[in-house]
Amino acid sequence: AQSVTQLGSHVSVSEGALVLLRCNYSSSVPPYLFWYVQYPNQGLQLLLKYTTGATLVKGINGFEAEFKKSETSFHLTKPSAHMSDAAEYFCAVSGGSQGNLIFGKGTKLSVKP
Amino acid sequence: DTEVTQTPKHLVMGMTNKKSLKCEQHMGHRAMYWYKQKAKKPPELMFVYSYEKLSINESVPSRFSPECPNSSLLNLHLHALQPEDSALYLCASSQAQLYNSPLHFGNGTRLTVT
Repeated sequence: AQSVTQLGSHVSVSEGALVLLRCNYSSSVPPYLFWYVQYPNQGLQLLLKYTTGATLVKGINGFEAEFKKSETSFHLTKPSAHMSDAAEYFCAVSGGSQGNLIFGKGTKLSVKP
Repeated sequence: DTEVTQTPKHLVMGMTNKKSLKCEQHMGHRAMYWYKQKAKKPPELMFVYSYEKLSINESVPSRFSPECPNSSLLNLHLHALQPEDSALYLCASSQAQLYNSPLHFGNGTRLTVT
């Protein structure tokens, strides 16, 4: 069965610092992996996805993630944090019984001025 | 701006009320979803419709009744809810119910049951 583990329920960085949000997955088949962001009082917005092909995936708002099969990881990074990046971030793997998404528990990113 | 529109944004209802949540998308997507999200938790899947037919019901209590009148609309009918049903209800759509098809979410309906 597929599962996702997000390490760290809360990450705090200074503005301009590197953002690193960790996600490890468990999957018995080649996974499809996603990162979503949720701003307060809003729905989830797709940041990026990995399906097949290039393992370094670029997304919106300057985020990227690298699929590492050997480490079963799909960590999200951004070189320089902005105040507007403060939000909840969810890693997800596609692979429920009928292809539905399985979400991690989320990581809240805070950005200090 | 989101391409999935949910109404109302906020809803307060008593335990004996009947109300409905509405969701609309015009992206030509053929799969639509209802999720429930409690504070500081990830979304929990409730229902999936694929080509207007109910595909997944995650053992949701019968006081929640989904309906998909056409490929663009999704409703969630609510009746005799409990206070613990208070949550953010999110609608989502995808091109199809496929492993690699990302979801597009609406901004949700914040439901409070009194």
